[in-house]
Amino acid sequence: GENVEQHPSTLSVQEGDSAVIKCTYSDSASNYFPWYKQELGKRPQLIIDIRSNVGEKKDQRIAVTLNKTAKHFSLHITETQPEDSAVYFCAASRSRDDKIIFGKGTRLHILP
Amino acid sequence: EAGVAQSPRYKIIEKRQSVAFWCNPISGHATLYWYQQILGQGPKLLIQFQNNGVVDDSQLPKDRFSAERLKGVDSTLKIQPAKLEDSAVYLCASSLVGGLEQFFGPGTRLTVL
Repeated sequence: GENVEQHPSTLSVQEGDSAVIKCTYSDSASNYFPWYKQELGKRPQLIIDIRSNVGEKKDQRIAVTLNKTAKHFSLHITETQPEDSAVYFCAASRSRDDKIIFGKGTRLHILP
Repeated sequence: EAGVAQSPRYKIIEKRQSVAFWCNPISGHATLYWYQQILGQGPKLLIQFQNNGVVDDSQLPKDRFSAERLKGVDSTLKIQPAKLEDSAVYLCASSLVGGLEQFFGPGTRLTVL
């Protein structure tokens, strides 16, 4: 069945440094890749997404890259800040209205 | 704009008891999802509705879990009887038909003792 693997499970970076989270997916028909941020005790919220017709997308300090051939995609956060501390989930979906398969999450700690 | 509403926020029950969760999606969102999020893991889809029809319930343990969305708006998820391994946060999400972004509710944290 469809599967999304996410690494690392925990990541600690110094404030101001960059953080990278990597994911791989198994379903070659996947063409939509959202990233969700979940703060402690709160709901997941979409922070950025990318579709298969694009290799990279950037929104201020956050960027995502996608390699469809290798079936992997990554989240890059630059100039990290304390409020970036949270659990980040990557996900993959085949299309609009199709189910989203989530990775297991990466707990990001921003160290002062 | 009001978000996805869920109740209760917390529930503690003993194993073999029954429990029900309620979700009210964002107005106009025809697609509704129920997810189970076990501690330390990502959300796992249990069931997806479009209006009052089931789109995907392949991962719903149908021997004990049931869900309905009779009028195509609110939805209830029921567990009967509950097991210890059902302890998790149950998240409801909604989206527009054809929409990519899912909006999540605050979740119901279920503890089964």
